Amino acid sequence: GENVEQHPSTLSVQEGDSAVIKCTYSDSASNYFPWYKQELGKGPQLIIDIRSNVGEKKDQRIAVTLNKTAKHFSLHITETQPEDSAVYFCASSSGYALNFGKGTSLLVTP
Amino acid sequence: NAGVTQTPKFQVLKTGQSMTLQCAQDMNHEYMSWYRQDPGMGLRLIHYSVGAGITDQGEVPNGYNVSRSTTEDFPLRLLSAAPSQTSVYFCASSYNRGNYGYTFGSGTRLTVV
Repeated sequence: GENVEQHPSTLSVQEGDSAVIKCTYSDSASNYFPWYKQELGKGPQLIIDIRSNVGEKKDQRIAVTLNKTAKHFSLHITETQPEDSAVYFCASSSGYALNFGKGTSLLVTP
Repeated sequence: NAGVTQTPKFQVLKTGQSMTLQCAQDMNHEYMSWYRQDPGMGLRLIHYSVGAGITDQGEVPNGYNVSRSTTEDFPLRLLSAAPSQTSVYFCASSYNRGNYGYTFGSGTRLTVV
């Protein structure tokens, strides 16, 4: 089945800096790539997603890029704020089910 | 519009006991699923349903049963709880099983002693 690798597992940045989280996938049929943010004690929340016919998507301070040839996609957060501190999960799907990475714990220090 | 509602939020069980984790959604989503989340393991799919009356197994189905009698509800049953089932359980629903964003519930933290 699909294998999604996510790096790094932990990331610490200073407020105002950028954060980048990277994921790779194995199934070349994967065509949907969402990112989720999970705050302590809560369920994951969809923050942005991208489909295989698009190379980049932005939503304010958040952007996702997709390289289909290399089978990797990345989450970019600019001008980080303390409230961005959370666990972030990437996922991929070929239409059957979402397969999640193991998560990245992001800490933004003031 | 409540989204996905899970009950209870916390539960402690003794080994061998049974219980049902409840999940309900009010978005008329056809697809519903159960995940468990363990430290360092990410989210692992237990069971899923693509519509009322249709269920199937995910990655880690052993020890769990599900049924889907209505579009809204998707309960998860632990038949005989084991300490290995200590975890946080999340229910999620979606318009489509793979190509649309999931809405997650707030989770049930289960401890089996």
